[in-house]
Amino acid sequence: EPEVTQTPSHQVTQMGQEVILRCVPISNHLYFYWYRQILGQKVEFLVSFYNNEISEKSEIFDDQFSVERPDGSNFTLKIRSTKLEDSAMYFCASSTETQYFGPGTRLLVL
Amino acid sequence: QKEVEQDPGPLSVPEGAIVSLNCTYSNSAFQYFMWYRQYSRKGPELLMYTYSSGNKEDGRFTAQVDKSSKYISLFIRDSQPSDSATYLCAMSAGGGTSYGKLTFGQGTILTVHP
Repeated sequence: EPEVTQTPSHQVTQMGQEVILRCVPISNHLYFYWYRQILGQKVEFLVSFYNNEISEKSEIFDDQFSVERPDGSNFTLKIRSTKLEDSAMYFCASSTETQYFGPGTRLLVL
Repeated sequence: QKEVEQDPGPLSVPEGAIVSLNCTYSNSAFQYFMWYRQYSRKGPELLMYTYSSGNKEDGRFTAQVDKSSKYISLFIRDSQPSDSATYLCAMSAGGGTSYGKLTFGQGTILTVHP
């Protein structure tokens, strides 16, 4: 069964560093999303992406965040200058209709 | 008022029990309603989805949506220890041919003990 994959599974970084989280969506899906889940809190929407552009973003998704689909298979989330509060689980999802989630990348900012 | 409210539990039931999980919401624009299951430190796994009001059944799982009350439920019959997980409700207003941005509840932690 096709699935969304994410790399790395864990990432530890220093505050102020840039990180890139990678996702490979399900191959025939057209819509791509990033969500995050801070430990013990709700899953929160960050951004949706369709037809090579952002279709919607939340107030969390500020100028420090960017997304890109650099080729036909990958979908990336970049955090330019990480803060302590960016520590969370980051989930990629893809859909035609219903959204299927990847296993997540656990980001720890020290 | 929070957009989506879900009792975080925890909920502990014996094997074989019927489990009822619920969410309320305030945004009248929500049309698509989903239930996800999440195991510890894993991604949400889609269980069921419904559009607008009504019931949907899939094996031991039944999803109900009452838009007039802004209330959705998931019932699990003959619960098994393998059902132990966090159950997340999620909903969206939809957009184009995609269900769009999902708004999640807090999640209910369920433990089914043998």
